[in-house]
Amino acid sequence: DAKTTQPNSMESNEEEPVHLPCNHSTISGTDYIHWYRQLPSQGPEYVIHGLTSNVNNRMASLAIAEDRKSSTLILHRATLRDAAVYYCILRDGYNQGGKLIFGQGTELSVKP
Amino acid sequence: EAGVVQSPRYKIIEKKQPVAFWCNPISGHNTLYWYLQNLGQGPELLIRYENEEAVDDSQLPKDRFSAERLKGVDSTLKIQPAELGDSAVYLCASSPGTEPPGEQYFGPGTRLTVT
Repeated sequence: DAKTTQPNSMESNEEEPVHLPCNHSTISGTDYIHWYRQLPSQGPEYVIHGLTSNVNNRMASLAIAEDRKSSTLILHRATLRDAAVYYCILRDGYNQGGKLIFGQGTELSVKP
Repeated sequence: EAGVVQSPRYKIIEKKQPVAFWCNPISGHNTLYWYLQNLGQGPELLIRYENEEAVDDSQLPKDRFSAERLKGVDSTLKIQPAELGDSAVYLCASSPGTEPPGEQYFGPGTRLTVT
């Protein structure tokens, strides 16, 4: 599985948008981009995924660069509950049942 | 719908003692995973089951770790004997299938402290 690079930490103010970047320059054509987050003392939870086109769901939006070598997770209005570690993960489209390979992730803190 | 259930939530044992963790996945999920998470790190896979079959156990330290999923539903992970370095959070996850997104649902984890 290809490697991703994320900033170690980011800060945001409550009710402001947050853009969490992820670089994946060695992504292959069949790799899906997945985002999970882990709140304190909880297991990770799925946030969103995409292949080529931008994606929106109730939790967030995913913006994927045209060359697919980077992506950005967008939280439109950060709340205190969004403080978590956010993981950007690549998954082979032919092995979606396989393991998730977590990196260090980005620790997001949200200030009131 | 109930999520992935794990017990116990916390366990403190002395080194060289045995310990077991239990996981009940979401109903209907055929795929079950055990992950290990060290402090400040992302989770790492220990073992993956498809129904009763362990299809990926390459990262499981088989000299002291064992796992079973006898009826293809709940699962037990065991360590015998435990070492100080086994102190970590043990996470169980389940997934309904292999089609995208292959979303995994995680339990809250069991925090193990070995003294």
